[in-house]
Amino acid sequence: SYVLTQPPSVSVAPGQTATITCGGDNIESRSVHWYQQQPGQAPVLVVYDDNARPSGIPARFSASNSGNAATLTISRVEAGDEADYYCQVWDTSITSGSYVFGTGTKVTVL
Amino acid sequence: QMQVEQSGPEVKKPGTSVKLSCKTSGPTLGNPVMQWVRQDRGQRLEWIGWIVVGSGNTNYAQKFQKRVTITRDKSTGTAYMELSSLGSEDTAVYYCAAALRGIASSLDFWGQGTLVTVSS
Repeated sequence: SYVLTQPPSVSVAPGQTATITCGGDNIESRSVHWYQQQPGQAPVLVVYDDNARPSGIPARFSASNSGNAATLTISRVEAGDEADYYCQVWDTSITSGSYVFGTGTKVTVL
Repeated sequence: QMQVEQSGPEVKKPGTSVKLSCKTSGPTLGNPVMQWVRQDRGQRLEWIGWIVVGSGNTNYAQKFQKRVTITRDKSTGTAYMELSSLGSEDTAVYYCAAALRGIASSLDFWGQGTLVTVSS
């Protein structure tokens, strides 16, 4: 099955830029979605279809997808951005298809 | 925007079944697909399956195919997920989420989650 690999943790100072990677074989051929999960809360969609932002998500959240890695970038990081972030794709390598989630990255704001 | 409200926590014995519900409200565009995802203590997210609200078509992850059933009641906007033959490994938070751009798209709105504890 398809595997998505993320770094377990990323630390960033307030006002700086956090970069979270999501590695997968030829991931650029798939649409990647990103979710933010605050402690004790449900995930929230922050980016869909590689680089589109849902209504209400700040422009500080941007993303790209190329080659074997997708990237979520959080600019001008704020304390409220401290959360777990997960990437997700739809895997068609099996007949009926399956959603696959990344391993998750904990963003710590120093 | 759409709201997703899930049923309350459950405690189950090994070998039994659990049936969770998920009610949507608010504006609904297109033909939403209700998804079920679970998250264990290790924080890993795992997809269980979906149901297309309009047609009732379902698709289940291979891992759960033999023991999961997802249904919906169009009249009340409620989706259900029943998982049978529970084991301790099924202890997790179960989320329902709405995908508004069709199957295989992003999970746009999530419920608050339901904690299922399987213990003897």
